[in-house]
Amino acid sequence: GAVVSQHPSRVICKSGTSVKIECRSLDFQATTMFWYRQFPKQSLMLMATSNEGSKATYEQGVEKDKFLINHASLTLSTLTVTSAHPEDSSFYICSASAPGQGEKLFFGSGTQLSVL
Amino acid sequence: QKEVEQNSGPLSVPEGAIASLNCTYSDRGSQSFFWYRQYSGKSPELIMFIYSNGDKEDGRFTAQLNKASQYVSLLIRDSQPSDSATYLCAVKSQAGTALIFGKGTTLSVSS
Repeated sequence: GAVVSQHPSRVICKSGTSVKIECRSLDFQATTMFWYRQFPKQSLMLMATSNEGSKATYEQGVEKDKFLINHASLTLSTLTVTSAHPEDSSFYICSASAPGQGEKLFFGSGTQLSVL
Repeated sequence: QKEVEQNSGPLSVPEGAIASLNCTYSDRGSQSFFWYRQYSGKSPELIMFIYSNGDKEDGRFTAQLNKASQYVSLLIRDSQPSDSATYLCAVKSQAGTALIFGKGTTLSVSS
Protein backbone atom coordinates (compact mmCIF):
# COMPACT_ATOMS: atom_id res chain seq x y z
CA GLY A 1 0.00 0.00 0.00
CA ALA A 2 0.83 3.72 0.13
CA VAL A 3 1.73 4.14 -3.50
CA VAL A 4 2.38 7.59 -4.92
CA SER A 5 2.32 7.88 -8.69
CA GLN A 6 4.06 10.77 -10.42
CA HIS A 7 3.90 11.71 -14.10
CA PRO A 8 5.62 12.41 -16.36
CA SER A 9 8.90 10.78 -15.43
CA ARG A 10 10.85 12.89 -17.85
CA VAL A 11 10.05 16.01 -19.82
CA ILE A 12 12.08 18.14 -22.17
CA CYS A 13 10.69 21.53 -23.08
CA LYS A 14 11.69 24.79 -24.68
CA SER A 15 12.45 27.85 -22.61
CA GLY A 16 9.34 29.89 -21.92
CA THR A 17 6.87 27.03 -21.95
CA SER A 18 4.93 25.68 -18.98
CA VAL A 19 5.14 22.15 -17.67
CA LYS A 20 2.64 20.38 -15.44
CA ILE A 21 3.64 17.52 -13.14
CA GLU A 22 1.00 15.31 -11.55
CA CYS A 23 1.24 13.46 -8.28
CA ARG A 24 -1.43 10.96 -7.26
CA SER A 25 -1.90 8.88 -4.15
CA LEU A 26 -3.26 5.63 -5.55
CA ASP A 27 -4.49 3.75 -2.51
CA PHE A 28 -4.91 6.36 0.18
CA GLN A 29 -6.12 9.89 0.68
CA ALA A 30 -3.37 12.44 1.09
CA THR A 31 -4.49 15.59 2.84
CA THR A 32 -0.95 16.93 2.61
CA MET A 33 1.60 16.50 -0.12
CA PHE A 34 5.12 17.85 -0.25
CA TRP A 35 7.03 18.96 -3.33
CA TYR A 36 10.80 18.70 -3.44
CA ARG A 37 13.43 19.70 -5.98
CA GLN A 38 16.83 18.11 -6.35
CA PHE A 39 19.72 19.48 -8.38
CA PRO A 40 22.56 17.13 -9.41
CA LYS A 41 24.57 15.88 -6.45
CA GLN A 42 22.51 18.00 -4.09
CA SER A 43 19.94 17.12 -1.49
CA LEU A 44 16.20 17.20 -1.80
CA MET A 45 15.06 20.73 -1.09
CA LEU A 46 11.52 21.30 0.08
CA MET A 47 9.70 23.68 -2.25
CA ALA A 48 6.21 23.74 -0.84
CA THR A 49 3.63 22.00 1.27
CA SER A 50 0.35 21.37 -0.49
CA ASN A 51 -2.85 21.00 1.51
CA GLU A 52 -6.06 19.76 -0.06
CA GLY A 53 -8.50 22.56 -0.68
CA SER A 54 -6.24 25.38 0.39
CA LYS A 55 -3.30 27.39 -0.87
CA ALA A 56 0.11 25.83 -0.78
CA THR A 57 2.74 27.01 1.65
CA TYR A 58 5.99 27.85 -0.10
CA GLU A 59 9.47 27.73 1.35
CA GLN A 60 11.57 30.83 1.45
CA GLY A 61 13.08 31.60 -1.92
CA VAL A 62 10.55 29.61 -3.95
CA GLU A 63 8.50 31.79 -6.28
CA LYS A 64 4.84 30.93 -5.83
CA ASP A 65 3.88 32.60 -9.12
CA LYS A 66 6.38 30.49 -10.99
CA PHE A 67 5.69 27.17 -9.31
CA LEU A 68 1.93 26.82 -9.21
CA ILE A 69 0.63 24.09 -6.94
CA ASN A 70 -2.92 22.84 -7.00
CA HIS A 71 -4.27 20.26 -4.58
CA ALA A 72 -7.90 20.07 -5.60
CA SER A 73 -8.63 16.57 -4.36
CA LEU A 74 -7.41 14.18 -1.69
CA THR A 75 -5.59 12.08 -4.27
CA LEU A 76 -4.13 14.60 -6.69
CA SER A 77 -1.67 17.45 -6.45
CA THR A 78 -0.11 19.19 -9.43
CA LEU A 79 2.96 21.35 -9.83
CA THR A 80 3.10 23.65 -12.84
CA VAL A 81 6.40 25.25 -13.72
CA THR A 82 5.40 28.36 -15.59
CA SER A 83 7.62 30.01 -18.20
CA ALA A 84 10.34 27.47 -17.56
CA HIS A 85 13.97 28.47 -18.01
CA PRO A 86 17.14 26.37 -18.15
CA GLU A 87 17.86 27.07 -14.48
CA ASP A 88 14.59 25.31 -13.62
CA SER A 89 16.02 22.07 -14.98
CA SER A 90 15.97 19.72 -12.03
CA PHE A 91 14.52 16.54 -10.55
CA TYR A 92 11.11 17.24 -9.01
CA ILE A 93 9.67 14.77 -6.51
CA CYS A 94 6.36 14.71 -4.68
CA SER A 95 5.66 12.91 -1.45
CA ALA A 96 2.83 12.24 0.96
CA SER A 97 2.18 10.67 4.29
CA ALA A 98 -0.41 7.92 4.51
CA PRO A 99 -2.92 7.25 7.29
CA GLY A 100 -1.75 4.54 9.65
CA GLN A 101 1.84 4.71 8.38
CA GLY A 102 3.15 6.98 11.10
CA GLU A 103 5.55 9.71 10.13
CA LYS A 104 6.90 8.01 7.03
CA LEU A 105 6.73 9.84 3.71
CA PHE A 106 6.08 7.99 0.49
CA PHE A 107 7.65 9.37 -2.63
CA GLY A 108 6.63 9.53 -6.23
CA SER A 109 9.11 8.31 -8.81
CA GLY A 110 10.18 11.83 -9.67
CA THR A 111 10.15 13.98 -12.80
CA GLN A 112 13.36 14.96 -14.55
CA LEU A 113 12.75 18.34 -16.17
CA SER A 114 15.14 19.57 -18.82
CA VAL A 115 14.56 23.06 -20.20
CA LEU A 116 16.40 23.85 -23.42
CA GLN B 1 17.31 27.55 9.90
CA LYS B 2 16.93 23.84 10.34
CA GLU B 3 19.90 21.95 8.95
CA VAL B 4 20.88 18.35 8.48
CA GLU B 5 24.56 17.68 7.89
CA GLN B 6 26.17 14.65 6.32
CA ASN B 7 29.63 13.91 5.04
CA SER B 8 29.21 13.71 1.27
CA GLY B 9 31.87 11.03 0.92
CA PRO B 10 32.43 8.97 -1.06
CA LEU B 11 32.69 6.33 1.60
CA SER B 12 34.39 3.25 0.21
CA VAL B 13 34.23 -0.12 1.95
CA PRO B 14 35.06 -3.63 0.79
CA GLU B 15 32.35 -6.21 0.40
CA GLY B 16 31.45 -7.80 3.73
CA ALA B 17 32.63 -4.87 5.83
CA ILE B 18 30.56 -2.58 8.03
CA ALA B 19 29.66 0.80 6.56
CA SER B 20 29.03 3.60 9.04
CA LEU B 21 27.08 6.66 7.93
CA ASN B 22 26.68 9.68 10.16
CA CYS B 23 24.34 12.63 10.38
CA THR B 24 23.89 15.62 12.66
CA TYR B 25 20.92 17.95 12.88
CA SER B 26 20.45 21.44 14.21
CA ASP B 27 16.84 21.48 15.39
CA ARG B 28 16.78 20.16 18.94
CA GLY B 29 13.01 19.80 18.68
CA SER B 30 13.29 17.16 15.97
CA GLN B 31 11.28 14.08 16.76
CA SER B 32 11.56 11.63 13.86
CA PHE B 33 14.63 10.49 12.00
CA PHE B 34 14.85 8.64 8.73
CA TRP B 35 17.40 7.03 6.48
CA TYR B 36 16.66 6.82 2.78
CA ARG B 37 18.64 5.25 -0.01
CA GLN B 38 18.69 6.90 -3.41
CA TYR B 39 20.05 5.61 -6.68
CA SER B 40 20.97 8.06 -9.38
CA GLY B 41 17.91 9.46 -11.14
CA LYS B 42 15.51 7.68 -8.81
CA SER B 43 13.39 8.80 -5.91
CA PRO B 44 14.44 7.94 -2.35
CA GLU B 45 13.41 4.67 -0.78
CA LEU B 46 13.00 4.33 2.97
CA ILE B 47 15.45 2.10 4.78
CA MET B 48 14.74 2.81 8.42
CA PHE B 49 13.24 5.29 10.80
CA ILE B 50 13.88 5.85 14.48
CA TYR B 51 12.13 7.95 17.09
CA SER B 52 13.76 7.06 20.40
CA ASN B 53 17.28 7.26 21.71
CA GLY B 54 19.28 4.09 21.27
CA ASP B 55 19.57 1.51 18.56
CA LYS B 56 17.06 0.04 16.17
CA GLU B 57 17.96 -2.98 14.10
CA ASP B 58 16.39 -4.26 10.90
CA GLY B 59 18.25 -7.04 9.17
CA ARG B 60 21.70 -5.79 8.15
CA PHE B 61 20.82 -2.22 9.08
CA THR B 62 21.08 -0.55 12.48
CA ALA B 63 20.03 3.02 13.15
CA GLN B 64 21.43 4.79 16.18
CA LEU B 65 20.01 7.97 17.70
CA ASN B 66 21.49 10.26 20.32
CA LYS B 67 19.21 13.23 20.85
CA ALA B 68 21.50 14.87 23.41
CA SER B 69 24.26 15.01 20.82
CA GLN B 70 21.80 15.62 17.95
CA TYR B 71 23.36 12.74 16.11
CA VAL B 72 21.95 9.84 14.13
CA SER B 73 23.84 7.11 12.34
CA LEU B 74 23.25 4.13 10.11
CA LEU B 75 25.34 0.99 10.20
CA ILE B 76 25.24 -1.46 7.33
CA ARG B 77 26.67 -4.85 8.18
CA ASP B 78 28.00 -7.30 5.60
CA SER B 79 27.99 -4.58 2.95
CA GLN B 80 27.17 -5.71 -0.57
CA PRO B 81 27.97 -4.06 -3.92
CA SER B 82 24.21 -3.56 -4.33
CA ASP B 83 24.31 -1.28 -1.29
CA SER B 84 26.30 1.22 -3.33
CA ALA B 85 24.08 4.31 -3.46
CA THR B 86 23.59 7.68 -1.86
CA TYR B 87 22.19 7.55 1.66
CA LEU B 88 20.07 10.45 2.78
CA CYS B 89 19.46 11.36 6.39
CA ALA B 90 16.15 13.13 6.99
CA VAL B 91 14.63 14.74 10.02
CA LYS B 92 11.09 15.76 10.90
CA SER B 93 10.39 18.29 13.61
CA GLN B 94 6.78 17.47 14.31
CA ALA B 95 3.90 15.43 13.04
CA GLY B 96 2.52 16.47 9.68
CA THR B 97 5.52 18.49 8.63
CA ALA B 98 7.90 17.81 5.78
CA LEU B 99 11.19 15.99 6.00
CA ILE B 100 14.38 18.04 5.97
CA PHE B 101 17.12 16.18 4.14
CA GLY B 102 20.86 16.17 4.36
CA LYS B 103 22.94 16.25 1.18
CA GLY B 104 23.56 12.54 1.40
CA THR B 105 26.60 10.31 1.68
CA THR B 106 27.70 8.32 -1.33
CA LEU B 107 28.61 4.75 -0.41
CA SER B 108 30.69 2.54 -2.68
CA VAL B 109 31.04 -1.14 -1.84
CA SER B 110 33.73 -2.90 -3.81
CA SER B 111 33.66 -6.62 -4.55
